Amino acid sequence: GQQVMQIPQYQHVQEGEDFTTYCNSSTTLSNIQWYKQRPGGHPVFLIQLVKSGEVKKQKRLTFQFGEAKKNSSLHITATQTTDVGTYFCAGPYRGGSGSRLTFGEGTQLTVNP
Amino acid sequence: EAGVTQSPTHLIKTRGQQATLRCSPISGHTSVYWYQQALGLGLQFLLWYDEGEERNRGNFPPRFSGRQFPNYSSELNVNALELEDSALYLCASSREDGTGEQFFGPGTRLTVL
Repeated sequence: GQQVMQIPQYQHVQEGEDFTTYCNSSTTLSNIQWYKQRPGGHPVFLIQLVKSGEVKKQKRLTFQFGEAKKNSSLHITATQTTDVGTYFCAGPYRGGSGSRLTFGEGTQLTVNP
Repeated sequence: EAGVTQSPTHLIKTRGQQATLRCSPISGHTSVYWYQQALGLGLQFLLWYDEGEERNRGNFPPRFSGRQFPNYSSELNVNALELEDSALYLCASSREDGTGEQFFGPGTRLTVL
């Protein structure tokens, strides 16, 4: 079954509003990664969080890793049209003969100018 | 450093035909991953290869297969194409084994008529 749940699936905001997407894992994660896919593009790595309770910032983007290392969030302050795209979280899970990244379903963000 | 490359960019086939998609990872990366992304949806994991071996396989029928060559490039084959196979097929590579940051190629858009 789905090991990484991401909500919401879609989010529409007015430019200037804030946006948050949440990622929840069924198990404790050693790390969590976030990716962004622009419309018509491919996913691009944004950041990796490793420590319990870790918070990292990239300009208007704030990434958090939960204390229990089972959830994470991405918050964008004062969205801009350049923030449009789908944001994916990904965590390592055991599969086959090794551990690999499993991606959440993604949150598709649209920003109305 | 050259990124992940995929060919062809677009591929049009008819139902029942076979499709071959190719991927060249970033130099030094030994792991290659294949994903299927139907329009507007998330990343569905297909296959993971590392050091020439298949490490993990997603929930896809056996007509989806692939291989990794000694130079770490990879091929995805889809036999007996069905209309619902129409999607963007993304290849990614990583430096580490399974759980490291993934670098995605631009994808191959497969259309089945």
